[in-house]
Amino acid sequence: NAGVTQTPKFRVLKTGQSMTLLCAQDMNHEYMYWYRQDPGMGLRLIHYSVGEGTTAKGEVPDGYNVSRLKKQNFLLGLESAAPSQTSVYFCASTRNGPNTEAFFGQGTRLTVV
Amino acid sequence: GQQLNQSPQSMFIQEGEDVSMNCTSSSIFNTWLWYKQDPGEGPVLLIALYKAGELTSNGRLTAQFGITRKDSFLNISASIPSDVGIYFCAGRSLTGANSKLTFGKGITLSVRP
Repeated sequence: NAGVTQTPKFRVLKTGQSMTLLCAQDMNHEYMYWYRQDPGMGLRLIHYSVGEGTTAKGEVPDGYNVSRLKKQNFLLGLESAAPSQTSVYFCASTRNGPNTEAFFGQGTRLTVV
Repeated sequence: GQQLNQSPQSMFIQEGEDVSMNCTSSSIFNTWLWYKQDPGEGPVLLIALYKAGELTSNGRLTAQFGITRKDSFLNISASIPSDVGIYFCAGRSLTGANSKLTFGKGITLSVRP
């Protein structure tokens, strides 16, 4: 049972390059989330999705785009990477309903130089 | 937006000691979650709380959902070196399309042998 899988685990980008982070979950969860984690800032929500074909902005959406074409996948895109986007990115998923908890992937460490 | 407050940012305890962490908010949540993050890993769920006043244990861990629904605490008893890590609280305030998790900034716990 893989749970939540993120690829890649590490990446170095040059300023202005683009890339896509992939999150896949095999738990048939409706909700998926992308967070970034920076020292002293905790986990900040970038974008989230409440179902296939839907996305919504979180706390820090600027500079990122997302897509949820399939229920099991949630993609995070950086169109033109900036050094401020150097961070560790976590994907999470939950079932719908009031009594649910989030399951996290192992993270993607992104460095923009 | 909604915020969860965790303080202090770091805690240092002696092996064998008990430790208590609080999480407070000005908003009401109907789910409280406690996560632990080890270095290089994603957060892992420790305890989930779904009802005001609920007290739940998981081994040496005990957490409570505050009666006002605006706070929660986590206790770790008889700490051991592997308790080292970052402890996050998270709250979920709504169900349905607007539901999302809000995280505190985390408390880094160090345990001296």
